[in-house]
Amino acid sequence: DIQMTQSPSSLSASVGDRVTITCRASQSISRYLNWYQQKPGKAPKLLMYAASSLQSGVPSRFSGSGSGTDFTFTISSLQPEDFATYYCQQSYSTPWFTFGPGTKVDIK
Amino acid sequence: QVQLVQSGSELKKPGASVKVSCKASGYTFTSYAMNWVRQAPGQGLEWMGWINTNTGNPTYAQGFTGRFVFSLDTSVSTAYLQISSLKAEDTAVYYCARNEGYDSWWYFDLWGRGTLVTVSS
Repeated sequence: DIQMTQSPSSLSASVGDRVTITCRASQSISRYLNWYQQKPGKAPKLLMYAASSLQSGVPSRFSGSGSGTDFTFTISSLQPEDFATYYCQQSYSTPWFTFGPGTKVDIK
Repeated sequence: QVQLVQSGSELKKPGASVKVSCKASGYTFTSYAMNWVRQAPGQGLEWMGWINTNTGNPTYAQGFTGRFVFSLDTSVSTAYLQISSLKAEDTAVYYCARNEGYDSWWYFDLWGRGTLVTVSS
């Protein structure tokens, strides 16, 4: 089974900050990596797929990079609506999917 | 409008069964597989498995075999999750999510709002 880890598990940041989250896979997953945002009490929302492709309608301040086992998700300038929990997900081992444990971004 | 509408919250006693529905609208139901994702209180997302909406063939993740059953009624564009012999640890929000993509480039682009299942005596 492919295991996903994320770091940090939580972070505090201010509006306007640049925020970076790391996701690591237990084995190479090429670029089969997606990112989701979840706000409290809401369903997750797809932000990025294939490591760096922005889902339609998602602001360009969100970006992703990486391949193999190490991936990065960046918010270039944190906005008030970005405070949420972010999850990575691998689809390399389709039909088996795995989510990372999540990174909570809250207000400093 | 493209959406997934899930059934309402459920309160069940241990040992009972529950069936959660996920009704798709605004797109061709059988063109996209459907996933189920569990989120226990205060916890992360856990992929439970998915069902091929063309064939009805389900795939279950480890830990979700035996008591969990995915099914379909394509005549009403609805996917179902049934959980039997409920335990307190099944208390969670259950989401359905549509599969988009191709080959291994899959991602979950459309989600239901979630169904809270509470198991308590």
